[in-house]
Amino acid sequence: GAVVSQHPSRVICKSGTSVKIECRSLDFQATTMFWYRQFPKKSLMLMATSNEGSKATYEQGVEKDKFLINHASLTLSTLTVTSAHPEDSSFYICSAQKGGSGSSYNEQFFGPGTRLTVL
Amino acid sequence: ILNVEQSPQSLHVQEGDSTNFTCSFPSSNFYALHWYRWETAKSPKALFVMTLNGDEKKKGRISATLNTKEGYSYLYIKGSQPEDSATYLCAYTTGGGNKLTFGTGTQLKVEL
Repeated sequence: GAVVSQHPSRVICKSGTSVKIECRSLDFQATTMFWYRQFPKKSLMLMATSNEGSKATYEQGVEKDKFLINHASLTLSTLTVTSAHPEDSSFYICSAQKGGSGSSYNEQFFGPGTRLTVL
Repeated sequence: ILNVEQSPQSLHVQEGDSTNFTCSFPSSNFYALHWYRWETAKSPKALFVMTLNGDEKKKGRISATLNTKEGYSYLYIKGSQPEDSATYLCAYTTGGGNKLTFGTGTQLKVEL
């Protein structure tokens, strides 16, 4: 159990367009989902924490108007990169946390990630 | 230590060799230390979650230890196999929070 999918796995877009990435918990309900970004040879950096039915909490330095997060259900969170530019090219990965007593030491279950390339 | 540091950055070993990696983290306000195994094009998978100083966890040929007072954890792989090739990530959380702070990982390649 505890499978998280992410779609698409890879996307190439033109500068100025918006890109939506989906993160789904397939076999559990996730009250909290997280979005990370990874630059080459760097660690996974938390961008925002998303709670179902409420606004996301963004980490310092992350533009909320640039990276729109929606967590409309207990199994789906989306990250939309608006007006993407080449500097937004990166690897984006989500994780999900089981709700209530299902979470052990705040364990997170990860998706496989999305490679975004903005031309 | 202000951030999570992992060493070595990469490692090449021969099949059958035993190996170990280090994860250093801030020892103040510690809550839990997580080890993940991340194969290329797949999702990071949790190996261990450790919370208590002196904790030791084992899963098959892989084991981990934790020292919360000095802020480090070791991951050991006994008798490495090619299928152990992956990036091993550690992350810690502080008390009262659920945010993971990651290291950059140790990339292991096991050769025949």
